[in-house]
Amino acid sequence: SQTIHQWPATLVQPVGSPLSLECTVEGTSNPNLYWYRQAAGRGLQLLFYSVGIGQISSEVPQNLSASRPQDRQFILSSKKLLLSDSGFYLCAWSVRQVNTEAFFGQGTRLTVV
Amino acid sequence: RKEVEQDPGPFNVPEGATVAFNCTYSNSASQSFFWYRQDCRKEPKLLMSVYSSGNEDGRFTAQLNRASQYISLLIRDSKLSDSATYLCVVIPYSSASKIIFGSGTRLSIRP
Repeated sequence: SQTIHQWPATLVQPVGSPLSLECTVEGTSNPNLYWYRQAAGRGLQLLFYSVGIGQISSEVPQNLSASRPQDRQFILSSKKLLLSDSGFYLCAWSVRQVNTEAFFGQGTRLTVV
Repeated sequence: RKEVEQDPGPFNVPEGATVAFNCTYSNSASQSFFWYRQDCRKEPKLLMSVYSSGNEDGRFTAQLNRASQYISLLIRDSKLSDSATYLCVVIPYSSASKIIFGSGTRLSIRP
C-alpha cells in the first residue's frame, strides 16, 4: 500500500533562517506531488506541484521554492524565512494522469519567530 | 473570482439534524470532484468522491450540478463526531495535475 511521510511534524525557526521540509512517498511510482500551506483558520493554498523529476509548477509568488530530486521525493525550501511563512505545510500525492484524489502527509506545523 | 468557493460557516446544528452545504467552482471544464474532512490541526482526509449521478455513503450524500457548477454534501442524522471542517476539491480537466481545495466549511454538532 502507498504511504506518504513528511517531517518534521513541528518546527520553530527564527526569521531569516533557512528551511527544508522533506516529503517521500512509498508504494507507488511516478506520482504527482504537491505542497500546500494552510494559515491558521484558513483553507489550503496550493504552493507547488510536480508531475515528474525536476518538473515544478509554482502557483503563487513567494519566499519558497520546491525541488523534486527523485521520483518520490519532494522538498520545500526557503533561504530566509519570514514571519508570514508560519503555517501548516502539507505534502500530498496523487496518481499521475488520472483525475483522482490526493493523499496527504501528516503535515509540518511551522512557526517563524 | 476564486476557482473554488465555500461558505466558511460555522454551521452549528444539534445532534441528529440534517445539514447540507455547497461548493461552487468557476471552471466549467472541471472533471473530478471530492469532499474531504479535516479535523482540527490534522491533515485532510478523503470523505467521498462526487459522481455525476450523485452518490451516497451511509449518512453522507454528495451531488454534482454541472449546469450551476456546484457540488453539495448532505449529512443526515448528524453525530457529534461529524464536527470538523469539510473541504471540497475540484480537479480541472485542463490541468489534471492541479488539485484545488475550497477554503472549507466548519461544522459543529452540539449535543
